[in-house]
Amino acid sequence: GQNIDQPTEMTATEGAIVQINCTYQTSGFNGLFWYQQHAGEAPTFLSYNVLDGLEEKGRFSSFLSRSKGYSYLLLKELQMKDSASYLCAVMDSNYQLIWGAGTKLIIKP
Amino acid sequence: IAGITQAPTSQILAAGRRMTLRCTQDMRHNAMYWYRQDLGLGLRLIHYSNTAGTTGKGEVPDGYSVSRANTDDFPLTLASAVPSQTSVYFCASSDTRSSVDTQYFGPGTRLTVL
Repeated sequence: GQNIDQPTEMTATEGAIVQINCTYQTSGFNGLFWYQQHAGEAPTFLSYNVLDGLEEKGRFSSFLSRSKGYSYLLLKELQMKDSASYLCAVMDSNYQLIWGAGTKLIIKP
Repeated sequence: IAGITQAPTSQILAAGRRMTLRCTQDMRHNAMYWYRQDLGLGLRLIHYSNTAGTTGKGEVPDGYSVSRANTDDFPLTLASAVPSQTSVYFCASSDTRSSVDTQYFGPGTRLTVL
């Protein structure tokens, strides 16, 4: 079966750095996506990785290792508005997105 | 219209009733999707459409039907609602011909079946 694993919840302090991990086992791989979802709102696209390595976009970076079936999302200089759920999703061999359950990130002052 | 819209925003429905959730996009994306999101679970694909006139079944299609008469609209119908269909429903669209097939989501419909 296909599986995406992420921690259920994480807590971090405003101004700090946090790393949210995602491991996956899927039938095929055509890219990995990270989305942000604030409570009661729709998911919004953050980043995409299809090759191994680090993709940086402002305060957010995403890393991929295809051989390890592993990705992480790194958030720097945390702000209160970063409190949200972060969803990891993998595009499988049928070009369908397989979603993790999401990691709820709580930012404390 | 800007992006993707859904209606209604929320709905309380008696079990056994028929309900259609509406979804419209103005981005001329070829592909559209319906997901449900339940607490503790990832988004689960119900149905999808890669182009107008075609539809396909996702992971949890039972009890739901869709149609894609044109590029912009992708309604989801619950023929006879059951309490297990209580969920938040998200419609999404993407341009599968682009270099990164990113899905963009509507604001969601919160459905409660009693």
